[in-house]
Amino acid sequence: QVQLVESGGGLVKPGGSLRLSCADSGFTFSDQYMSWIRQAPGKGLEWVSYISRTGNSIYYADSVRGRFTISRDNAKKSLYLQMNSLRADDTAFYYCARGEGTLTSWGRGTLVIVSS
Amino acid sequence: EILMTQSPATLSVAPGERATLSCRASHSVKTSLVWYQQKPGQAPRLLIYGASTRATGIPARFSGSGSGTEFTLTISSLQSEDFAVYYCQQYSSWPPPWTFGQGTKVEIK
Repeated sequence: QVQLVESGGGLVKPGGSLRLSCADSGFTFSDQYMSWIRQAPGKGLEWVSYISRTGNSIYYADSVRGRFTISRDNAKKSLYLQMNSLRADDTAFYYCARGEGTLTSWGRGTLVIVSS
Repeated sequence: EILMTQSPATLSVAPGERATLSCRASHSVKTSLVWYQQKPGQAPRLLIYGASTRATGIPARFSGSGSGTEFTLTISSLQSEDFAVYYCQQYSSWPPPWTFGQGTKVEIK
């Protein structure tokens, strides 16, 4: 069974940085398109970023472009999200998910809290 | 950016009854529409893709319909495990962003 496990969340001050990781226990990570999606506590879902299988195609939501960087290491079957210049409105659960458009499998999420 | 609007925000349904959830897109997304179910404390789960195709393992009581700008998720006979929040999402845009509706909470009547 495909399992995605996020890590790296926590409490950070405004302007700070965090790096999220997503480990994929499946066999075909290198064949998968991947995305990050976030959900502020008690709110709806927001797509954050997408990366293609080889990493040569990357897109971001306007709300994070220039501050967040998505990357992947296929040898380690891992996805990353480097988050810089964090703001209070970045507070959310961050989920990694497999798929391009249709997000077929999701991790359980990691909580990022941006607060002084 | 394509705006997705779901209605109603909350739907009160008795177990065994039918639930009908709506999703509207601000521009045509053809059939590039998915539905997810999310229970408290859990990640979303894919229910329907391509507007009407059930994902693997999803019971037949879940069905999706629509195309263009109007979509419907129907749960034919609500079971206790179906009380949750349901989100629609379009993936017609290329490049992204792929956008979600704000969700419909299905609660016990």
